[in-house]
Amino acid sequence: DTAVSQTPKYLVTQMGNDKSIKCEQNLGHDTMYWYKQDSKKFLKIMFSYNNKELIINETVPNRFSPKSPDKAHLNLHINSLELGDSAVYFCASSQGTGKAFFGQGTRLTVV
Amino acid sequence: DAKTTQPPSMDCAEGRAANLPCNHSTISGNEYVYWYRQIHSQGPQYIIHGLKNNETNEMASLIITEDRKSSTLIRPHATLRDTAVYYCIVGLSGGGADGLTFGKGTHLIIQP
Repeated sequence: DTAVSQTPKYLVTQMGNDKSIKCEQNLGHDTMYWYKQDSKKFLKIMFSYNNKELIINETVPNRFSPKSPDKAHLNLHINSLELGDSAVYFCASSQGTGKAFFGQGTRLTVV
Repeated sequence: DAKTTQPPSMDCAEGRAANLPCNHSTISGNEYVYWYRQIHSQGPQYIIHGLKNNETNEMASLIITEDRKSSTLIRPHATLRDTAVYYCIVGLSGGGADGLTFGKGTHLIIQP
């Protein structure tokens, strides 16, 4: 069983569209995250979320929003996609510690 | 900004121990040292973490200097599948809510 799973694995879309990436974890963790890895391979935290608190990296545009229907899911919604949003997006989860489990990533290409 | 410094790349012969250094001279007393690796096109994978004592698990050993300003990850008997970018990260154990701050890491290349 995959501990942290993301769908889709690949996403190609046009500028201006709205898209979502889904993430599910079956580890019973109470904290989930979204990271972005750009073309230069830098991994940056975008959001951290548990049932009490959402922590947003201040550099993330408000076109990006996490939505958590329940503790096991944290989906990423992106509005009005731009070329610069092209990247690999990773979902992760942890029990509120630095030991995190990552999904396999979603490669988003905006054309 | 990452609070660690790592060499950008290293080579290691297959079957030998890969020793990856990390400098974290500004680490504070309650911060842990975490190691992750990212094999090409995959998500980062947790390897090990420690506070001040040396640690060992099935994947690697972590040696932390007494002053805690640097550490070394040892991957014994490296195989070609260990080729990856290895990240040394400093963070609070109970402060995982802020997420991990990744630096540039060390690209470890295992040579046949």
